Amino acid sequence: EAQVTQNPRYLITVTGKKLTVTCSQNMNHEYMSWYRQDPGLGLRQIYYSMNVEVTDKGDVPEGYKVSRKEKRNFPLILESPSPNQTSLYFCASSSGQSSNQPQHFGDGTRLSIL
Amino acid sequence: QKEVEQNSGPLSVPEGAIASLNCTYSDRGSQSFFWYRQYSGKSPELIMFIYSNGDKEDGRFTAQLNKASQYVSLLIRDSQPSDSATYLCAVNILTNFGNEKLTFGTGTRLTIIP
Repeated sequence: EAQVTQNPRYLITVTGKKLTVTCSQNMNHEYMSWYRQDPGLGLRQIYYSMNVEVTDKGDVPEGYKVSRKEKRNFPLILESPSPNQTSLYFCASSSGQSSNQPQHFGDGTRLSIL
Repeated sequence: QKEVEQNSGPLSVPEGAIASLNCTYSDRGSQSFFWYRQYSGKSPELIMFIYSNGDKEDGRFTAQLNKASQYVSLLIRDSQPSDSATYLCAVNILTNFGNEKLTFGTGTRLTIIP
């Protein structure tokens, strides 16, 4: 089954404790991205990756890191989480090397930073 | 001016009627337009995408694009209670740096009344 898999689905943690949210896709997609979704603000892009060689900032990259060592995986790293990073996070992938193709979303990760 | 604007709703429509959802965008150069449906607590799922001016139909759904007026709409015919969800409009926008960015509206909450 074609899918984007995120882990964990839910996480409650404390300020400053490094965490990683994993994202894996099995569709051989080049383009992957991370979004956060907050009430009233909609989906905002954090980082995107056009392929394993190109990664760039989205609209709200502060406090986040990503890596793209292989095509299928695109982990999101919070080095020192803060309460304002409490949100619902989605990983997405699409074919091609730009965002002009339909995005396939993972099931989401709900993060609570205390 | 927001890059992608939607009426947040809620929009209430009787079962069996036509639901009309609208979205305007600011970038005249945009080429790719998407409608996603999102149930509460779930991930966005693609409903329609459209690249050319005019109408595109898929079952009960019709996407309409008017690039001259910079709007894209989604019509849902024979609305069903299962159509009750938040509908996200997404537009692929060319940034000032020459790359592309998928920008989401904040969504319109649709409620179908039995």
